[in-house]
Amino acid sequence: EDQVTQSPEALRLQEGESSSLNCSYTVSGLRGLFWYRQDPGKGPEFLFTLYSAGEEKEKERLKATLTKKESFLHITAPKPEDSATYLCAARPYGQNFVFGPGTRLSVLP
Amino acid sequence: NAGVMQNPRHLVRRRGQEARLRCSPMKGHSHVYWYRQLPEEGLKFMVYLQKENIIDESGMPKERFSAEFPKEGPSILRIQQVVRGDSAAYFCASSPPGPLNTEAFFGQGTRLTVV
Repeated sequence: EDQVTQSPEALRLQEGESSSLNCSYTVSGLRGLFWYRQDPGKGPEFLFTLYSAGEEKEKERLKATLTKKESFLHITAPKPEDSATYLCAARPYGQNFVFGPGTRLSVLP
Repeated sequence: NAGVMQNPRHLVRRRGQEARLRCSPMKGHSHVYWYRQLPEEGLKFMVYLQKENIIDESGMPKERFSAEFPKEGPSILRIQQVVRGDSAAYFCASSPPGPLNTEAFFGQGTRLTVV
């Protein structure tokens, strides 16, 4: 069965304190691994797509990496405005997206 | 370039009524996905549609729920005889056809409250 898990469930950081979020996936044939950001009361906002192991993508303070079993979202020197829930999703070939439960990130000033 | 549009944003229904949620995909997108989200929980897949076709409805409850994506007009998620447990945020996402059918972009959701 296709499955995506994320850890930690919640993370509190001081402003400027870098850290990483983990996404572990088990899918039969990965078409893509996706990261989204979701603010309270809003829809998920697309961040990155990763297609193959070893791939990395960056956007401002965020960098996403992919291995054959995991993806990491690295947050460098976070700011309070980075506080949100970060969702990971895996997409098997020919199928829909399987989402993880998310990591709730709080960045304190 | 308008994003995925969902309406209404908020919907209140009494138990036993019908709820109709609408989703207009991004321009050029022909694939639509519906997800349900309960407070403090992740996104649960419901149904995946292309124009005039249901591709995967494995996440859809067998009774009271239906979805369509007609040739013209928005995708509709219909919930008949709503119950309190149907209260949730319902999100729609869309993606383009063909080889570009990878990322999905989400709307702002419809928050359904059953009273």
